[in-house]
Amino acid sequence: DVQMTQSPSSLSASVGDRVTITCRTRQSISTYLSWYQQKPGNAPKLLIYRASTLQSGVSSRFSGSGSGTDFTLTISSLQPEDFAVYYCQQSFSPPFSFGPGTRVDI
Amino acid sequence: QVQLVESGGGVVQPRRSLRLSCAASGFTFSSFSMHWVRQAPGKGLEWVTVISYDGNSISYADSVKGRFTVSRDNSRNTVYLQMDSLRPEDTAVYFCAKDRSTLSPVWNFDLWGRGTLVSVSS
Repeated sequence: DVQMTQSPSSLSASVGDRVTITCRTRQSISTYLSWYQQKPGNAPKLLIYRASTLQSGVSSRFSGSGSGTDFTLTISSLQPEDFAVYYCQQSFSPPFSFGPGTRVDI
Repeated sequence: QVQLVESGGGVVQPRRSLRLSCAASGFTFSSFSMHWVRQAPGKGLEWVTVISYDGNSISYADSVKGRFTVSRDNSRNTVYLQMDSLRPEDTAVYFCAKDRSTLSPVWNFDLWGRGTLVSVSS
């Protein structure tokens, strides 16, 4: 199984800040990596797939990069609606595991 | 309206069974693989299972293999999750989710339901 880690586990930021979240895997997964945002009481929302492709309808302040074992989600200018938990997910091989999540707080 | 609506959750005793349903609307259900993902209270996301668009290809997480069965009825635009031999550690919100790609799955999820809570407790 593909093991996944995220860092940091949580962070505090302000509106307008640039925020970077890292996801690492123990084995190479090429670019088979997605990012999701989840707000309390809601289902997750797909933000990025194939490491860097922005899902339709998602703000361009979100961007993704990386390949192999190291990946990054960047929020260029944090907005009030971006405070949430962010998960990475690998789609390289089953089980299609998620990272443990990164909570972004004010 | 493009949506997924789960139902069938509730409180159940250990070793009993429960069947979840997920009704789809607003898209060509029969063209997409469908997944179940769960989230234990206060915890992260765990992928559970996937069924291909035609039901011929299925995969499970090891934690549920042999106990859970996924199926679909394309005439009813519905996917099901039969959960047998339930354990307390199966307590979670269960989401159904649509694969992003038609026919050949890409194993990421662009449409989610709101989830249904399953609580396994004596």
